[in-house]
Amino acid sequence: DIQMTQSPSTLSASVGDRVTITCRAGQSISSWLAWYQQKPGKAPKLLIYKASSLEDGVPSRFSGSRSGTEFTLTISSLQPDDFATFYCQQYNSYPWTFGQGTKVEIK
Amino acid sequence: EVQLVESGGGLVQPGGSLRLSCAASGFTFSSYEMNWVRQAPGKGLEWVSYISSSGSTIYYADSVKGRFTISRDNAKNSLYLQMNSLRAEDTAVYYCAGPVAEGYWGQGTLVTVSS
Repeated sequence: DIQMTQSPSTLSASVGDRVTITCRAGQSISSWLAWYQQKPGKAPKLLIYKASSLEDGVPSRFSGSRSGTEFTLTISSLQPDDFATFYCQQYNSYPWTFGQGTKVEIK
Repeated sequence: EVQLVESGGGLVQPGGSLRLSCAASGFTFSSYEMNWVRQAPGKGLEWVSYISSSGSTIYYADSVKGRFTISRDNAKNSLYLQMNSLRAEDTAVYYCAGPVAEGYWGQGTLVTVSS
């Protein structure tokens, strides 16, 4: 199984901050990496797929990048609606595996 | 509008069985591979099972292999998960999900395994 190591586990930030979340794959997954946002009691919402492709309807303040097996989700200016938990997921091969999650809290 | 609606969750005793359903609408269900993903209370996401669009290819997580069976009925636009020999650690919200790039996820159904 491909291990996905996500950091940090918790992040305290203020509205307007630039936020970066990192996910490292245990082996090459090419660009088969997705990012999700999840709010309490709700299903995960796709933000980014194929490492850097923005899902339709997702604000442009969200972006994704790849450097080898390291992937980054960046929120350029954190908004009140962005406080949630974020997950990375590799879909290069089955079993799909997810990062442990990053909870973005209000500072 | 794409919709995936799960049902069939509930409280079951250890060793018991449940069958989850996922009703799809708003897209050509028969053309898409589908998955089940679960989330234990307060925990992260765990992939459970995959089925190809025709049903000919199936994968399971090691944690459910031999106990869970995924299936689909393309004529009814429905996905299923038969869960047998349930354990406490199977307690979770179960989501049906389509291909990653489509972003199709249901709202989830809660399965609680407890005596």
